[in-house]
Amino acid sequence: GAVVSQHPSWVICKSGTSVKIECRSLDFQATTMFWYRQFPKQSLMLMATSNEGSKATYEQGVEKDKFLINHASLTLSTLTVTSAHPEDSSFYICSALGSSGRTDTQYFGPGTRLTVL
Amino acid sequence: LAKTTQPISMDSYEGQEVNITCSHNNIATNDYITWYQQFPSQGPRFIIQGYKTKVTNEVASLFIPADRKSSTLSLPRVSLSDTAVYYCLVGDSPYNQGGKLIFGQGTELSVKP
Repeated sequence: GAVVSQHPSWVICKSGTSVKIECRSLDFQATTMFWYRQFPKQSLMLMATSNEGSKATYEQGVEKDKFLINHASLTLSTLTVTSAHPEDSSFYICSALGSSGRTDTQYFGPGTRLTVL
Repeated sequence: LAKTTQPISMDSYEGQEVNITCSHNNIATNDYITWYQQFPSQGPRFIIQGYKTKVTNEVASLFIPADRKSSTLSLPRVSLSDTAVYYCLVGDSPYNQGGKLIFGQGTELSVKP
């Protein structure tokens, strides 16, 4: 149980194009999902909190117009990197909030490697 | 959100027990302690979660003293495949802080043959 998938697992794009990454909770419903970014040899950095049916909440310093988040259903959240540039190249990871018993726990997807040329 | 402090790295040998301690002096009453494991180029994997005393599952044990200002993840008889980064996180219920987790640097565990 508590499986989260991401698609694609890796993507290469040209500078200036937009890329969409999907995050799905496969066997549970998640009203809240999170998006993280991770650079090599660094920890995960929270980008935004995605709530189903409402606007995402972005962390300080994250451009909401550049990283568009849509949480249209209880099992799907998407992150669109608009007008991508080489500095956006990173490992993007999503997580979904699910129940682990007494409290809710974040379950993570496998990540998406984005390379912008 | 309570800040956590862990050793940056640890070395061990196959078959040994590994204990990774995490400090969280400012833990709040409603906070739970959760540990994740991450392999390179993969998303973090949930290991164990606890609130107080001791929690044990099929892969690890979590020891939490009465003051809850620290916690220790115990991995019994590690193998080479346990080489990974281990993160200790402290977080509240989603109803108070939206379930946010802030990752620290983690502990890079290296298991040698």
